[in-house]
Amino acid sequence: GAVVSQHPSRVICKSGTSVKIECRSLDFQATTMFWYRQFPKQSLMLMATSNEGSKATYEQGVEKDKFLINHASLTLSTLTVTSAHPEDSSFYICSTARGGYTEAFFGQGTRLTVV
Amino acid sequence: KNEVEQSPQNLTAQEGEFITINCSYSVGISALHWLQQHPGGGIVSLFMLSSGKKKHGRLIATINIQEKHSSLHITASHPRDSAVYICAVLLMEYGNKLVFGAGTILRVKS
Repeated sequence: GAVVSQHPSRVICKSGTSVKIECRSLDFQATTMFWYRQFPKQSLMLMATSNEGSKATYEQGVEKDKFLINHASLTLSTLTVTSAHPEDSSFYICSTARGGYTEAFFGQGTRLTVV
Repeated sequence: KNEVEQSPQNLTAQEGEFITINCSYSVGISALHWLQQHPGGGIVSLFMLSSGKKKHGRLIATINIQEKHSSLHITASHPRDSAVYICAVLLMEYGNKLVFGAGTILRVKS
């Protein structure tokens, strides 16, 4: 079946630096990629929806200038956390779907720690 | 009130026990997913339901659209079933937006 590959799985960065997370759809063309954040012991929260070739749609309360999303091709979407701060430390995960979300596929997730 | 409520939040079972995890939702949905998240964080989709019942190995998922309720059952539970089980609904009103429950932490002891 389709596989979504997310990289890196873990990253530790210094406060003020930027971190890029990549999400690749390996088996099919993903026109839409969803980015979620999960804080400890909480459920996943949708941050933004990226569509290939157009601007991402951000959920209320998510700063678009801080969380830059690029979906330049049908197989790659990236999330860049700019000027990271310790409160950005979280688990970030991407997801895509086909068949109107009848099949949902998730990346392995990225554990970001900002020190 | 959350749109998706799961119960129980935590569940400890003995190996071999029959396990049930419940999910209730308060909005119109077009589909419901049951997901499994292992300690490393990776998420696997177990089932997608829009009606009725599905079975895969020792896992069974049911949904009652009228009652806005779904259950995930694990028969003959095993320690490797220990994980977080998450119910996620696809909101009818918002197209492809998935809303997630808080998850049920399952621990199966040998």
